[in-house]
Amino acid sequence: DGGITQSPKYLFRKEGQNVTLSCEQNLNHDAMYWYRQDPGQGLRLIYYSQIVNDFQKGDIAEGYSVSREKKESFPLTVTSAQKNPTAFYLCASSMSGTAYYEQYFGPGTRLTVT
Amino acid sequence: RKEVEQDPGPFNVPEGATVAFNCTYSNSASQSFFWYRQDCRKEPKLLMSVYSSGNEDGRFTAQLNRASQYISLLIRDSKLSDSATYLCVVKGGDMRFGAGTRLTVKP
Repeated sequence: DGGITQSPKYLFRKEGQNVTLSCEQNLNHDAMYWYRQDPGQGLRLIYYSQIVNDFQKGDIAEGYSVSREKKESFPLTVTSAQKNPTAFYLCASSMSGTAYYEQYFGPGTRLTVT
Repeated sequence: RKEVEQDPGPFNVPEGATVAFNCTYSNSASQSFFWYRQDCRKEPKLLMSVYSSGNEDGRFTAQLNRASQYISLLIRDSKLSDSATYLCVVKGGDMRFGAGTRLTVKP
């Protein structure tokens, strides 16, 4: 089955700890994205990558970091510098980063930091 | 002003009703337009792309008016299973998401 997987589904961390969220796709898509969703708000772009070994900041990159060492994988690290990390994190991919391609989403990770 | 604005909702309609969602966007250079559906605590899923000529998929019809920077989604003969949040999405460079409009279809 082709698709996007994210793990874990739920994640609980103490304040001050870094945490890494996994995202893997087997769709052979070039572009991958990370979003966060807060209640009552639209998705906001954290980081995106259009090609291996390259990525760009989105609208809310502060306190986050990413890597893109393989085409299939785009992990997101939520660092202790992120002031309000509790949210629903969604990874997406698209065939290309150009405008005409839709994005497909993984099932998401709900992160709770206390 | 938000880049993508949707009706705040929620919409509560009986089964069989016709319901319309509206969306406006601010970036006139936007090139692609989509409607996504998001069930409670799940990921968004692509419902349909929106083309300038308008397009239909079964009970769903999407329209785009580039001059007015306006997108709509019409659902006819609503089913209980249509209950979800509908996200308007506009893509120029990045994808921009509306906050969504929640629909509840009741028996």
